[in-house]
Amino acid sequence: AQKITQTQPGMFVQEKEAVTLDCTYDTSDPSYGLFWYKQPSSGEMIFLIYQGSYDQQNATEGRYSLNFQKARKSANLVISASQLGDSAMYFCAMKDTGNQFYFGTGTSLTVIP
Amino acid sequence: DSGVTQTPKHLITATGQRVTLRCSPRSGDLSVYWYQQSLDQGLQFLIQYYNGEERAKGNILERFSAQQFPDLHSELNLSSLELGDSALYFCASSSSGAPLLPEAFFGQGTRLTVV
Repeated sequence: AQKITQTQPGMFVQEKEAVTLDCTYDTSDPSYGLFWYKQPSSGEMIFLIYQGSYDQQNATEGRYSLNFQKARKSANLVISASQLGDSAMYFCAMKDTGNQFYFGTGTSLTVIP
Repeated sequence: DSGVTQTPKHLITATGQRVTLRCSPRSGDLSVYWYQQSLDQGLQFLIQYYNGEERAKGNILERFSAQQFPDLHSELNLSSLELGDSALYFCASSSSGAPLLPEAFFGQGTRLTVV
């Protein structure tokens, strides 16, 4: 069964607008962590943000915030004030107590000037 | 710069051959993770080492093996290579082997092409 589902293969957003990238996950483990990574065209994977399953508040890191809805098993990434440099692939990932990372198939984000 | 170094950046080899990919983690990080990113399989977790010992195993083929050395660098060995092994191989490191440690920092990857 797919552990992480990203249903948006590609997204477009106007520069300076906000965009939400969807991610749902599947685990029966009560303890888990959720991550978002950015992969620009250069190929490296850049860590963006982390949310623990027991964290009470949604994680925020600068222009990135994670909309964590535990009951719905969703962990959407919100990027505010999009910039041209935000154009990249974005991967949602989960790590459970089995210590394995599970990645989604990614969303390609294009920021339009 | 994540602080994780992977060599080589690019590798082209023939089917049936064996290659070794190298990863130097960030200074002080004890955990090393290996991933394979291919077009058809997406990003797949292969294996994790923590302070020299295997900690977790994912979708790693029997033809592949890894180890972590006392100086904490890690090597991923791929043998009897097939065309389908062509992929981008990432190494990531983190400071702990704890399952729910937040971030892991990725290297820039090794692009393996099997011809």
